[in-house]
Amino acid sequence: SQQGEEDPQALSIQEGENATMNCSYKTSINNLQWYRQNSGRGLVHLILIRSNEREKHSGRLRVTLDTSKKSSSLLITASRAADTASYFCARAGGKLIFGQGTELSVKP
Amino acid sequence: DAGVIQSPRHEVTEMGQEVTLRCKPISGHDYLFWYRQTMMRGLELLIYFNNNVPIDDSGMPEDRFSAKMPNASFSTLKIQPSEPRDSAVYFCASSFYGTASYNEQFFGPGTRLTVL
Repeated sequence: SQQGEEDPQALSIQEGENATMNCSYKTSINNLQWYRQNSGRGLVHLILIRSNEREKHSGRLRVTLDTSKKSSSLLITASRAADTASYFCARAGGKLIFGQGTELSVKP
Repeated sequence: DAGVIQSPRHEVTEMGQEVTLRCKPISGHDYLFWYRQTMMRGLELLIYFNNNVPIDDSGMPEDRFSAKMPNASFSTLKIQPSEPRDSAVYFCASSFYGTASYNEQFFGPGTRLTVL
């Protein structure tokens, strides 16, 4: 499948802990993007990392990209209850293809 | 800017009826995308437009689905006739690529369609 995989499918942590989500893909990419979706809402863009970049930061978010392993990770540091949502990676190459997502639950 | 606007937010219809979903993209954006989200299949790209022209409709499930973009500020996704398996949340998204490619997409709130 062109979509690749995200893991874990679900993640439950306590407030203040870090959350790491992984994304793997199979074809070459132009860039890789991460989105968040709160329950019942549309997706919101978080961060974009280009194929020639290895790491990018935005506030409490850190994204890494390893094109040799065809994988990316999203780290949310010092998580908050408001971070509870589904997180999707989207591979851009020909089209923007979304993964199945990771459901993150942050308990207060 | 109000963001991407979709209407209706919820639609309940009976099998066989025609359904029309509407989308107003962000002003100035040159790409518009229609997606469908279900628990089983996740988020699927149905069709996308560049400067009002359909570029790739390979994700449209069958001939019952059609999409149009008559101008830069309006697009429709039509299902005729609708079937229960079309029940899903349909999202419209827009983006400005310009000379770049695959920039971030801005999603609307979605239309939750239920076909009885």
